[in-house]
Amino acid sequence: ELKVEQNPLFLSMQEGKNYTIYCNYSTTSDRLYWYRQDPGKSLESLFVLLSNGAVKQEGRLMASLDTKARLSTLHITAAVHDLSATYFCAVARGETSGSRLTFGEGTQLTVNP
Amino acid sequence: DSGVTQTPKHLITATGQRVTLRCSPRSGDLSVYWYQQSLDQGLQFLIQYYNGEERAKGNILERFSAQQFPDLHSELNLSSLELGDSALYFCASSPRQGLWDEQYFGPGTRLTVT
Repeated sequence: ELKVEQNPLFLSMQEGKNYTIYCNYSTTSDRLYWYRQDPGKSLESLFVLLSNGAVKQEGRLMASLDTKARLSTLHITAAVHDLSATYFCAVARGETSGSRLTFGEGTQLTVNP
Repeated sequence: DSGVTQTPKHLITATGQRVTLRCSPRSGDLSVYWYQQSLDQGLQFLIQYYNGEERAKGNILERFSAQQFPDLHSELNLSSLELGDSALYFCASSPRQGLWDEQYFGPGTRLTVT
């Protein structure tokens, strides 16, 4: 059974600081996604990582994928309050006739002034 | 706005009751997925339909059932509701059935069982 683990689960940081969220998964992955969720809202897709060594950046967020280590990271640079949200990684697995996403537990990020 | 719509937005009901959640996929998408988000279980995959047929099944309770209709909208039926069924239920859609398609999530239906 595929397991996806994130750490830390809770992250409180000051504006202007850098930090990294880690996502480990237990079996071979076909695709890895990062999502953002604001309280009570839907999932907003941030990044899709397709292959080993993939790196994507958008603003203050950068995601990378190491398929050999089964590890993805989401790096936050010079955090601002607007980044406060819960961040999920999700691994896509294909099945005989369909597919599914398996999510990590989520990292609740709070950026303090 | 992903283009996926879900109704109702909120639903409050009592234990033992039955409810139906509705999802309309993005125009042109043939696959619909249902996910449950609860404090206890996190975000869990429930079931996938592609063009009216069930394609993948997750930890969906026997009290829950789903279907996809010829117009491609989907319904998730929850019966004999328990307090623990209180959760945010998301629907997602994708163009085809396989893992190469990104899933686009709807706004969710918040179910409260009292």
